[in-house]
Amino acid sequence: SSDLTQDPAVSVALGQTVRITCQGDSLRSHYASWYQQKPGQAPILVIFGQNIRPSGIPDRFSGSTSGNTASLTITGAQAEDEADYHCNSRDSSDNRWVFGGGTKLTVL
Amino acid sequence: QVQLLQWGAGLLKPSETLSLTCAVSGGSFSGYYWSWIRQPPGKGLEWIGEIDHSGSTNYNPSLKSRVTMSGDTSKNQFSLKLTSMTAADTAVYYCARMTDLWGQGTLVTVSS
Repeated sequence: SSDLTQDPAVSVALGQTVRITCQGDSLRSHYASWYQQKPGQAPILVIFGQNIRPSGIPDRFSGSTSGNTASLTITGAQAEDEADYHCNSRDSSDNRWVFGGGTKLTVL
Repeated sequence: QVQLLQWGAGLLKPSETLSLTCAVSGGSFSGYYWSWIRQPPGKGLEWIGEIDHSGSTNYNPSLKSRVTMSGDTSKNQFSLKLTSMTAADTAVYYCARMTDLWGQGTLVTVSS
């Protein structure tokens, strides 16, 4: 099992808004980072920190945190957003990085 | 532009030792922690451990007994060794600078 909990699969209609969540105790003290991973490719960072997008990431991607739950929101989902999304954060209790199990996003 | 290039054997027999190396190009090796992460087929990501330029390491407790990481600052490289490999260790192994930079991944298959 994973240290962070994600829904295994989520779907969204083209152009609509979708929220992908990530739960875990480590999120109470560390921000989540979010990664997009397409088949056969390495993960790509899409959100980190409070809500920061690396250069080249579209502004339809945003992040937020409340308590022990982090969320990745895609506003106006596009076909190319169909991918697996992974969250991770730092676990201070034993000084390690932890990941969620990943969420498969389908754009209908 | 900083890039990570990784290499190592992709097919191992049970009980053998995995050995992978990752080179940092276009940027500094110092001042960062460098991680290894793996992903079994069809599954999520698992952090293996990290090392900094001074050789300071942190390992995932679940793998700590089998993991050794080392670094070579003269070559801007860091390496992973994972002993006593089994079929359960079959995965794509990535080197990374958490959180923003990832290597291309190496598929490692353990099979007799």
